[in-house]
Amino acid sequence: NAGVTQTPKFRILKIGQSMTLQCTQDMNHNYMYWYRQDPGMGLKLIYYSVGAGITDKGEVPNGYNVSRSTTEDFPLRLELAAPSQTSVYFCASTAAGTGRSKNIQYFGAGTRLSVL
Amino acid sequence: ILNVEQSPQSLHVQEGDSTNFTCSFPSSNFYALHWYRWETAKSPEALFVMTLNGDEKKKGRISATLNTKEGYSYLYIKGSQPEDSATYLCAFIRTSGGRTYKYIFGTGTRLKVLA
Repeated sequence: NAGVTQTPKFRILKIGQSMTLQCTQDMNHNYMYWYRQDPGMGLKLIYYSVGAGITDKGEVPNGYNVSRSTTEDFPLRLELAAPSQTSVYFCASTAAGTGRSKNIQYFGAGTRLSVL
Repeated sequence: ILNVEQSPQSLHVQEGDSTNFTCSFPSSNFYALHWYRWETAKSPEALFVMTLNGDEKKKGRISATLNTKEGYSYLYIKGSQPEDSATYLCAFIRTSGGRTYKYIFGTGTRLKVLA
């Protein structure tokens, strides 16, 4: 079972470069999320989506953009990379609202990004 | 600003010791409380889903309780083993009008079990 797949696993960017972190899930989940985890900190929500075509900002959206054209895919775009965006990024999905036991979040393996 | 606090931040215990951690969360707009286990270099995996005040869940040597009125949950590990070493995250889930589900994660408790 694939679950939530994130690519790439690692990336080094120069300041000002742009890139897209890919996330895809094969569980037909309606909700998808992007988090970042900074050293010694918890997971901070960047953006989330409640379904195809619908996205909304989380706690720390500045410097990022997302789109959700299909149920499966939820890419995260960094337009002008800054050192403050050095972090580990996690994508997650859940079948929220379909029964409480299904609100469990399933996480991808993470993308470790360094901006130098 | 909604905060989910976990304590302690980290702890070391000897193999065979029992231990417990706390997750404190806002008591309003409660929908569910999740516990996740996060091993180093892996991604978080769900341990427990707790929805009702007074819920108690158990999985092997690990159990959890929930008090939604006072806004806390305890996670207990009985007879800790080295393989229990991980970060334990709690997530408070709130709902807005039953349509939007927001997850607010604590910073985690990092457990190291020494053999």
